[in-house]
Amino acid sequence: DAGVIQSPRHEVTEMGQEVTLRCKPISGHNSLFWYRQTMMRGLELLIYFNNNVPIDDSGMPEDRFSAKMPNASFSTLKIQPSEPRDSAVYFCASSKETMGTEAFFGQGTRLTVV
Amino acid sequence: GENVEQHPSTLSVQEGDSAVIKCTYSDSASNYFPWYKQELGKRPQLIIDIRSNVGEKKDQRIAVTLNKTAKHFSLHITETQPEDSAVYFCAARPPTSGSRLTFGEGTQLTVNP
Repeated sequence: DAGVIQSPRHEVTEMGQEVTLRCKPISGHNSLFWYRQTMMRGLELLIYFNNNVPIDDSGMPEDRFSAKMPNASFSTLKIQPSEPRDSAVYFCASSKETMGTEAFFGQGTRLTVV
Repeated sequence: GENVEQHPSTLSVQEGDSAVIKCTYSDSASNYFPWYKQELGKRPQLIIDIRSNVGEKKDQRIAVTLNKTAKHFSLHITETQPEDSAVYFCAARPPTSGSRLTFGEGTQLTVNP
């Protein structure tokens, strides 16, 4: 397996534009997580899916952020409209929904909003 | 929900010395405690984990200890090397959270040659 695959690796966009980040979890994993990492706030959990269903989205900062998981092999995180304070590295991670299993992270998407 | 605190936020040691990073958690039901290493510009990767039914686990130069009574766990790196320089994150998972981990804020470890 190629691991968790995220695209794009880097995204530079202008304020106000829509941004879509993509994630393909490891095959067979039924939990998927979107994290945001910044120097100031560390590693923040934005949303957590289990079996394609959003379980906890309390970390989503505001209505500009939305996430979907239409099937077991694909998820998106969308920001509309984007703002400079959204600049961060966004990680997707996946794991199996069993006790004591490792969460595998993707390579991340570095988002810069100018 | 679970709350994890990690100390110190930065740690600088000389090559060959030991490094210790400590974490405390709030939910006594938490039963899985992984440690992740994140090198500059890369993704976090698991280096060691421990479950609540054991008190210590070792893997070569790294070890983790768990004190369930005090609700804290620690990462120990011996004979540190420059390539150990990275950000280290601890995490905890209560059984009621599914597979969701709560991460500490991270420790920037610098090993000076």
